[in-house]
Amino acid sequence: QKEVEQNSGPLSVPEGAIASLNCTYSDRGSQSFFWYRQYSGKSPELIMFIYSNGDKEDGRFTAQLNKASQYVSLLIRDSQPSDSATYLCAASNYGGSQGNLIFGKGTKLSVKP
Amino acid sequence: EAQVTQNPRYLITVTGKKLTVTCSQNMNHEYMSWYRQDPGLGLRQIYYSMNVEVTDKGDVPEGYKVSRKEKRNFPLILESPSPNQTSLYFCASSIRGDSGNTIYFGEGSWLTVV
Repeated sequence: QKEVEQNSGPLSVPEGAIASLNCTYSDRGSQSFFWYRQYSGKSPELIMFIYSNGDKEDGRFTAQLNKASQYVSLLIRDSQPSDSATYLCAASNYGGSQGNLIFGKGTKLSVKP
Repeated sequence: EAQVTQNPRYLITVTGKKLTVTCSQNMNHEYMSWYRQDPGLGLRQIYYSMNVEVTDKGDVPEGYKVSRKEKRNFPLILESPSPNQTSLYFCASSIRGDSGNTIYFGEGSWLTVV
């Protein structure tokens, strides 16, 4: 059974701090990894994707991938109250396509003013 | 405007009464899929389609059917709904094979089976 594991949280950080969200996956065939943000009652929206080992930065967000450890993380710098949401990690084993995405259950992040 | 449209957005139905949730995208995407989201279980893929007339099971296909007769449409069919299919359903689409391409989600369909 292919699985993506996340700590459900809630993860609470003060405004301006760095929020660190972690994810592990079981399928070594997974090639691409995605982070989605989901506000309560809304649809998920893609924040970042990563498919090479190392770091990938986009604005306040940095995704990190370590395939040897089967570990993906998302760092949010200068966290804002508007970042409060559930963050979903997802893995795909179809190369770059998003067929057959496996989602984690999500980590709820709360940024306190 | 690029969008994925699902209907109905909210539905309460009775056990055994067949229903269809429609999904339509206007971006000429090849790939479409259906997910259900339940508290504590996260997003789980029901079915996906890589192109017209090409569909495959996801993780939780039992009790559901899909069809992909046209590129833009991917309806989800519940032949005989049961209460355990009460859930929030999302349709999604994306370009196939493009690394990191954005997957567009519909707004979700809240389905209650009583």
